[in-house]
Amino acid sequence: QSALTQPASVSGSPGQSITISCTGTSSDVGGYNSVSWYQQHPGKAPKLLIYDVSSRPSGVSNRFSGSKSGNTASLTISGLQAEDEADYYCSSYASSNTVVFGGGTKVTVL
Amino acid sequence: QVQLVESGGGVVQPGTSLRLSCAASGFTFGTYGIHWVRQAPGKGLEWVALIWYDGSKEYYADSVKGRFTISRDNSRNTLYLQMNSLRAEDTAVYYCARDRYNKFLDYWGQGTLVTVSS
Repeated sequence: QSALTQPASVSGSPGQSITISCTGTSSDVGGYNSVSWYQQHPGKAPKLLIYDVSSRPSGVSNRFSGSKSGNTASLTISGLQAEDEADYYCSSYASSNTVVFGGGTKVTVL
Repeated sequence: QVQLVESGGGVVQPGTSLRLSCAASGFTFGTYGIHWVRQAPGKGLEWVALIWYDGSKEYYADSVKGRFTISRDNSRNTLYLQMNSLRAEDTAVYYCARDRYNKFLDYWGQGTLVTVSS
């Protein structure tokens, strides 16, 4: 049950695109199409952004997109906006019905 | 609308016990699995446990296995987390979250803070 690996921080200017990576193993990210991403603003509960690698729940902006290649998943935020400044966590189902999260990435809008 | 409301947090001494509750509304509670996820102060999310929709199966993180027990009362639309032998490293905000298809967590509560300190 080792945490998935994310960069600690990513930054970008308004309007730019940024990508957050999430690296796991063949026992989690690489073994299942069950990668999800969550956004968390300070003092708030996490909010689902992406599920099943690249699907968006109703109400989530299409500026958020997800993908996966091998053991690494990615979240791209296009047209970066001030309100996108938050912490982002990836997650994957792993073997034996357990869940593993990434360490989190702080996104800063310059 | 879907709502999950945690309660039961507080300050406790190491080695003691605490029970958290998560009251659900706005959906058919007895048809969904539910997770507990925690977040230590200033740290990332850590998955704690999952219980199936009918309570027939439970899964735990290695860090809490043997000390924590997840349970549910579908007649009361309530999830529980019994935490025994608490340690300082169990200090965190504890969230309950609804499971979807054993793939992702689609709704989260606002969390309840547990502080383990002497």
